[in-house]
Amino acid sequence: EPEVTQTPSHQVTQMGQEVILRCVPISNHLYFYWYRQILGQKVEFLVSFYNNEISEKSEIFDDQFSVERPDGSNFTLKIRSTKLEDSAMYFCASRGAGQDNEQFFGPGTRLTVL
Amino acid sequence: AQRVTQPEKLLSVFKGAPVELKCNYSYSGSPELFWYVQYSRQRLQLLLRHISRESIKGFTADLNKGETSFHLKKPFAQEEDSAMYYCALRRAGGGADGLTFGKGTHLIIQP
Repeated sequence: EPEVTQTPSHQVTQMGQEVILRCVPISNHLYFYWYRQILGQKVEFLVSFYNNEISEKSEIFDDQFSVERPDGSNFTLKIRSTKLEDSAMYFCASRGAGQDNEQFFGPGTRLTVL
Repeated sequence: AQRVTQPEKLLSVFKGAPVELKCNYSYSGSPELFWYVQYSRQRLQLLLRHISRESIKGFTADLNKGETSFHLKKPFAQEEDSAMYYCALRRAGGGADGLTFGKGTHLIIQP
């Protein structure tokens, strides 16, 4: 069964550094999402992406964040200058066409900012 | 703004007992409600959604618009039901929209 994959599983970085989190969505899916979950808190929506552009973003998704689908298979989340409070689990999700299709989640990348 | 509230952080019941995980929501429009489950060391996966009105793994959930609730129920808990359960909401018809999640309830089924 096809799955969403994410790399790396764990990323440790210094405050102020740039990080890129990578996701490979399910191959025929059209909608892509990033969520994050700070330890002990709820899963929070960051951004959705469709037809090569952002379709919706939350208040959390400020200028520090960007997303890209560089090659038709990968879907990346870049954090330009990481802060301590960016430490969280980051989940990628993808969805096929059709209103009722569910979002399939990846296993997550744990980002630790020191 | 939309909000999902799961009042119980932890729920522990004995095998064979009934289970009810509570979910209340706040949303001015017409919502779609979902339950996601995350078993230990596994990814988030959809358990059920209100529009399909299915029973999955013995679980059911009914959307009560009057009480703005979408509680998850199972009449007889099994040990393999132990997991984190998240209630989530999105705008009806908002296929591309992100989901708004509750904080989750950790369900523990004791033998």
